Amino acid sequence: AAGVIQSPRHLIKEKRETATLKCYPIPRHDTVYWYQQGPGQDPQFLISFYEKMQSDKGSIPDRFSAQQFSDYHSELNMSSLELGDSALYFCASSLLGSVGPYNEQFFGPGTRLTVL
Amino acid sequence: AQSVTQLGSHVSVSEGALVLLRCNYSSSVPPYLFWYVQYPNQGLQLLLKYTTGATLVKGINGFEAEFKKSETSFHLTKPSAHMSDAAEYFCAVSRQFGNEKLTFGTGTRLTIIP
Repeated sequence: AAGVIQSPRHLIKEKRETATLKCYPIPRHDTVYWYQQGPGQDPQFLISFYEKMQSDKGSIPDRFSAQQFSDYHSELNMSSLELGDSALYFCASSLLGSVGPYNEQFFGPGTRLTVL
Repeated sequence: AQSVTQLGSHVSVSEGALVLLRCNYSSSVPPYLFWYVQYPNQGLQLLLKYTTGATLVKGINGFEAEFKKSETSFHLTKPSAHMSDAAEYFCAVSRQFGNEKLTFGTGTRLTIIP
């Protein structure tokens, strides 16, 4: 079965550079979530989109922006990168319209961002 | 607001022994509860979940967890540890809405002793 695809899998950037992370949800899934997992830390929710509209926002820095496109893929744009942005960035997707109130989030393999 | 506390950042058990990973949650509304496993350099895989109904839930790889509302707990157990169970385990909570974010605990690294 198709899974969540994230690209690139690894990314190395210098301080103050910009980075764009991409997420391709499972086909037919309408909701995308972004999480950040720092070294040795738990995943922290950044932002989510449902039907191309922002549905929730967590502890996402103002330097970061994200959007969901008409084909439901999502991009996380990160500017003025800092050393502390080095982390594993996960994307997850779910289908809100599925049967029942619970919509499982399926996680991608993550993008490991290293800021030097 | 919701939060999860995982007691013990590192747990070591012998192969074949009982695995018990502790999770307590705080939620002002009825929660959904989850356990995820993360192997080194990999993504998060759902082990099991509690949404509604039966409070004892069974997951993949022989794991199970029991939702105890009175104790606000959702501990993860496995009767007999296997070497392949060595990984990081995260407990997570969300509100009972369709596309709610997950709030994770700080994780427990499980080591299996041969």
